[in-house]
Amino acid sequence: NAGVTQTPKFQVLKTGQSMTLQCAQDMNHEYMSWYRQDPGMGLRLIHYSVGAGITDQGEVPNGYNVSRSTTEDFPLRLLSAAPSQTSVYFCASRGAGTYNEQFFGPGTRLTVL
Amino acid sequence: AQTVTQSQPEMSVQEAETVTLSCTYDTSENNYYLFWYKQPPSRQMILVIRQEAYKQQNATENRFSVNFQKAAKSFSLKISDSQLGDTAMYFCAFMKSNTGTASKLTFGTGTRLQVTL
Repeated sequence: NAGVTQTPKFQVLKTGQSMTLQCAQDMNHEYMSWYRQDPGMGLRLIHYSVGAGITDQGEVPNGYNVSRSTTEDFPLRLLSAAPSQTSVYFCASRGAGTYNEQFFGPGTRLTVL
Repeated sequence: AQTVTQSQPEMSVQEAETVTLSCTYDTSENNYYLFWYKQPPSRQMILVIRQEAYKQQNATENRFSVNFQKAAKSFSLKISDSQLGDTAMYFCAFMKSNTGTASKLTFGTGTRLQVTL
């Protein structure tokens, strides 16, 4: 049971490049989310999903796309990277039941030059 | 929309002493959950303690306890017998109880805690 995994751990992009941050969980959790963490701002919700095929926007969705074709995977796509997207990205998952713990992945540090 | 405020950017405590981290929040919801997360230098987010808003009794987890004041919208974390391993960034977080908004955690800006010898 690996929990929530994220790849890559580190990534450097040039402005305008595209990439996908991968997130997978092996706990059969319904709910998955993406957050970004910036200095002095805590974690902010980008997108979330309540099940396969269902996604919705969070607080800071601009510049990011998501899809959820399987229960296990929830990739985050940057179509045209900008320096403002330099951040640490966390994926999280949670099982059904409103009091269940949200499990976080180890994070991806992304730098956009 | 909900907001979570942590007014102490940094705190320091000596080993074996007690420290309290403050958190206030603003919401119009009546049913919700509050959490404290710890983020050590490894960057991993670790759940420390959680509180259901409808429970009057304050949650406790070993050396960690909370003081939940619903009317005042205050949710402070007390760490007793501080240990060097408690050195980390601590985040207060809010979540509505509505399952339709599942996983929507709203975080504060964090308090960096340093435990010293």
